[in-house]
Parts: sequence; C-alpha cells; structure tokens
Amino acid sequence: DIVMTQSPLSLPVTPGEPASISCRSSQSLVHSNGYNYLEWYLQKPGQSPQLLIHLASERASGVPDRFSGSGSGTDFTLKISRVEAEDVGLYYCMQDVQTPRTFGQGTRVEIK
Amino acid sequence: QVQLQESGPGLVRPSETLSLTCAVSGASISTYYWSWIRQPPGKGLEWIAYIYNSATTNYNPSLKSRVTILMDTSKNQFSLKLNSVTAADTAVYYCARHFKYSITGTTHFSYPMDVWGQGTTVTVSS
Repeated sequence: DIVMTQSPLSLPVTPGEPASISCRSSQSLVHSNGYNYLEWYLQKPGQSPQLLIHLASERASGVPDRFSGSGSGTDFTLKISRVEAEDVGLYYCMQDVQTPRTFGQGTRVEIK
Repeated sequence: QVQLQESGPGLVRPSETLSLTCAVSGASISTYYWSWIRQPPGKGLEWIAYIYNSATTNYNPSLKSRVTILMDTSKNQFSLKLNSVTAADTAVYYCARHFKYSITGTTHFSYPMDVWGQGTTVTVSS
C-alpha cells in the first residue's frame, strides 16, 4: 500500500494569514496518463469529509479560490491564501493512483 | 441534488456480521462508482471498497476476506457487509459517490469522491 504522510499534524492559524499543509507519498502518484492522482479533503467539525482538490491541483466545484493544490510525484502541498474561520477542521490527502486508496493521517487546522 | 443516506444497526456483537445500506437519491446508482469509507473514533479515514455497475468491485486487501459490497439497482442503493467483526471495526461508516471527471483535452478521467453521506456510527460490543 502507498503510505501518505502529512505535516504538520496540527496547524494553528491566524485569520487572514496564509496556511500550508504538506503531503508526501511513499510512491509516485503519477498515473500512466501523466497526471498526479492526489486528492485533498476537508472534514469540518461534526461533518462528513468534503472534496477540495483532485488531480493534485484541480479545485472541486464550489471550492473557494483561496484553496490551491500543487506538487507532483511524491510531494504535494495544499495552500490556503487567507484563512477564514470556516476553514477549521481536519485536512486529509488521499492517493488515487492505485488501490487501495490510502489517506494521510490528517492535519488539524485551528484558529489561534 | 445528490444525497446519500447510510442506515444500519448502531450496535453489533463481536463475531457477527455488520450490514449497512446507502440509499442514493438524485442520481442513478448504475452510472457511478460508489465507495464505503470508515473512521474509527479519534482516528483517520480508511477506504474499504468500491462498486460499479454491480459487476465491478474492489476491496481493501486488509479487509477483503471479510467484506462484501453489493448494489441493488431496483432500490437505487448499495450495501456493505463485514463479517466476523471485532472491537477494531467500531467506527463511523461513510458511503460516497465517485464523480467521473473528464480531463480536458484527453480521454482520461479522475474519480474523486464528491458526495458523502452523513455517516453512521457502528459500535462492536457485547
């Protein structure tokens, strides 16, 4: 199985400031078609996970443009340009290049 | 608007079979891939299995010997059966839809999980 490792595991943030989460995979997430099959999900307190990013950098429908994804191969980053109070929760990266799909441990984003 | 609703017993005895159903509204179950994912208390997410068009299934090897995923097109729902449960199977179980995203300018697709159910808590205890 591909192991996904996120850092940091806890991220206190100040509203209006940027934030960044790293995700590394134990194997390359580049598909034979050349695309990186890496997704980001946000689980807000008391809610189900929601899709933010897929194909490493493609924002899902309805996701604010303050969220952006980047990276390739084994190193990926989720950036929030200006954190808002509603962005608190657990952020997970997940690889979709091979089964079983595997998730990172999660990064808890909280307001300072 | 696509909605998913999980249902099933909240308490299962050790060694018995956990059975859950995911009712789908707003989309035809025959058109998409569908998954089950679980989250043990205070822990992260674990993908369990997916199904497509009744005939195509894929299981997490860590659970494969105990898991069955099925589709009922007449009721527009799919189900999960996990047998020989132990306390380690205590978790919130989610069902989710995989959206078929066409990569612009190519014949390739990605299948992110774009709609999730609210989750159902299952406790394994005697």
